[in-house]
Formats: sequence, structure tokens, C-alpha cells
Amino acid sequence: TQLLEQSPQFLSIQEGENLTVYCNSSSVFSSLQWYRQEPGEGPVLLVTVVTGGEVKKLKRLTFQFGDARKDSSLHITAAQPGDTGLYLCAGAHAGNNRKLIWGLGTSLAVNP
Amino acid sequence: NAGVTQTPKFQVLKTGQSMTLQCAQDMNHEYMSWYRQDPGMGLRLIHYSVGAGITDQGEVPNGYNVSRSTTEDFPLRLLSAAPSQTSVYFCASMSSGSMMYEQYFGPGTRLTVT
Repeated sequence: TQLLEQSPQFLSIQEGENLTVYCNSSSVFSSLQWYRQEPGEGPVLLVTVVTGGEVKKLKRLTFQFGDARKDSSLHITAAQPGDTGLYLCAGAHAGNNRKLIWGLGTSLAVNP
Repeated sequence: NAGVTQTPKFQVLKTGQSMTLQCAQDMNHEYMSWYRQDPGMGLRLIHYSVGAGITDQGEVPNGYNVSRSTTEDFPLRLLSAAPSQTSVYFCASMSSGSMMYEQYFGPGTRLTVT
């Protein structure tokens, strides 16, 4: 059972465009993380959100945790080719022996 | 710090062969885990360890063995490789003191079983 749904699955845009990707669940998470994975590499942590309604910014990336802590979004402003990669979200349930629930990811291609 | 290292980067095995995927971390993290990543399936947890001498099964443990004799090392053993084990394997570590459950990944091992 896939508990974290990510959308869209694929996204191809031109440099300079804005985009938003989503991570949705029916479960409440104690925290949620976003990772970026480049081809041939392991996922790299971008951000962790823990409080409902929380907004975090990382340069041109804005992350938001839903008020009910069931969903999250990632907004990229003025996308650049260096943003190309697979964006993964992962949710944590407190006391779940530290096992994360993973989404399948959004594959983003930013064309110059 | 090197972070999480994995060897080899690439490996080709014949069905029935055995091998060990190596993973080491220098961050003194208690928690380590092994994932496999397949198209359309995402990251799936194979085995994990909450500390030296303690291991447990994840979502897809069949065909894999692990041991954790030191905090730094967490090798993954394939006893008799099968084509279904063709995948990219990632090792990850996490501090047990972290309330954020933030994981640090190695660069991966791409395994092909023919």
C-alpha cells in the first residue's frame, strides 16, 4: 500500500518557469522530509518539516507542511537546469522504529 | 568526513553467485539501513539496524542477510543472487538522537544479475 502519493509523477519545464509538486497522504506524520536525487547518486536531504502549517525556504525552493500534517508541497521559483532530478518525500511516524514511508517521487527536468 | 560510503559502485553477477555489498559511515550514527530502488517501486527497506549487534527485517528482506558488528559498518549479503535482485542498492544512516529522522545516503551500488 502506497501511503504517500506524489504528483505529478513527471514534469518537464523550461528554465525560468515556476512549479509546484505535491506529497499527499491520509496518515498524519510527526515529520516529513524532502530529498533530491540526481542520476547515479543517492538521495540528499533538502528539508524536514515538523509543525502543521510550517513553511521553510531554501533559496528558490519553498516547502510547506499541511495544517493537519498529512500533506506537503514543494514550490520552485524560476527553475534552473541544476534543479533537475527526482524529488522524493518521506514521512515519519513517531515510534515506528525510525522507518520512513516513502513516496515514489516526482521526476523533474528543467530544459535550458 | 566521508559520510556514507558504499562499494562497489557497479557489479554484475550470474544467477546463484554470492556477494557482499559494503557500507560504512563515519558519523557515529547508531541507525543504519539498506534500501533497494526499482522503477515504479520507489525506495523499499530491506533490513535495518538500530545499533551494533541489533538488526531487523524491513519490507523486502528475502534473499538478503545483514550483520552489524561495529557502529561504522553494515554489510548486505546476497547468498544466491537471482535476476529479481537486479536493482540499485542504497545504504543510509541516521542519528538515533535525531527527532527529525533525517537519513544520509551513500552513492549506491548498481547490481545486475544475469
